[in-house]
Amino acid sequence: NAGVTQTPKFRVLKTGQSMTLLCAQDMNHEYMYWYRQDPGMGLRLIHYSVGEGTTAKGEVPDGYNVSRLKKQNFLLGLESAAPSQTSVYFCASSSLAGGPKFTDTQYFGPGTRLTVL
Amino acid sequence: AQRVTQPEKLLSVFKGAPVELKCNYSYSGSPELFWYVQYSRQRLQLLLRHISRESIKGFTADLNKGETSFHLKKPFAQEEDSAMYYCALSGSRGSTLGRLYFGRGTQLTVWP
Repeated sequence: NAGVTQTPKFRVLKTGQSMTLLCAQDMNHEYMYWYRQDPGMGLRLIHYSVGEGTTAKGEVPDGYNVSRLKKQNFLLGLESAAPSQTSVYFCASSSLAGGPKFTDTQYFGPGTRLTVL
Repeated sequence: AQRVTQPEKLLSVFKGAPVELKCNYSYSGSPELFWYVQYSRQRLQLLLRHISRESIKGFTADLNKGETSFHLKKPFAQEEDSAMYYCALSGSRGSTLGRLYFGRGTQLTVWP
């Protein structure tokens, strides 16, 4: 049981290049999330998904796109990378708790460190 | 709008001293509050959540609805408690359901 995995672990891009980050989870979770972590800013939600085939915008969605074609995978794409997208990206997943009100614990991946030159 | 504030970016204490990491929130409803921790070179993980009313690794946190606070406390800090701590809020309705809103984090250092 690997939990949440992310590939790649590190990447360096030039401005204008594109790339896709892959997140996979083997816990059969409905919800998946992409965050970015920047010094002094905490974690900010980029996009999230409440189920296969559905995605929604978070706090900082501009410059990113996502897809959830399979329940276990959540892809984050950068079409034209910018230096402002230099960050550590975390994927997370969770199930909806037994009741209707609150979510269950979010389980995080190890992170992808992206540098855009 | 929902907001989580952690007023201390950095906090240092000596081993054996009490420690309190502050967290205040704003949310027009009944949120669920969490503390997540990130140890050096490890992934972010849940430390505790208010609904469980647990004590994890000696840490406790009480939800004070009057003061809209969820401070994290430990009576005797240990060196292995050194980490980044994030307070987070989960909404209970509408578009906030299923989402976590994080504070900016407090880096705790426990000196020997």
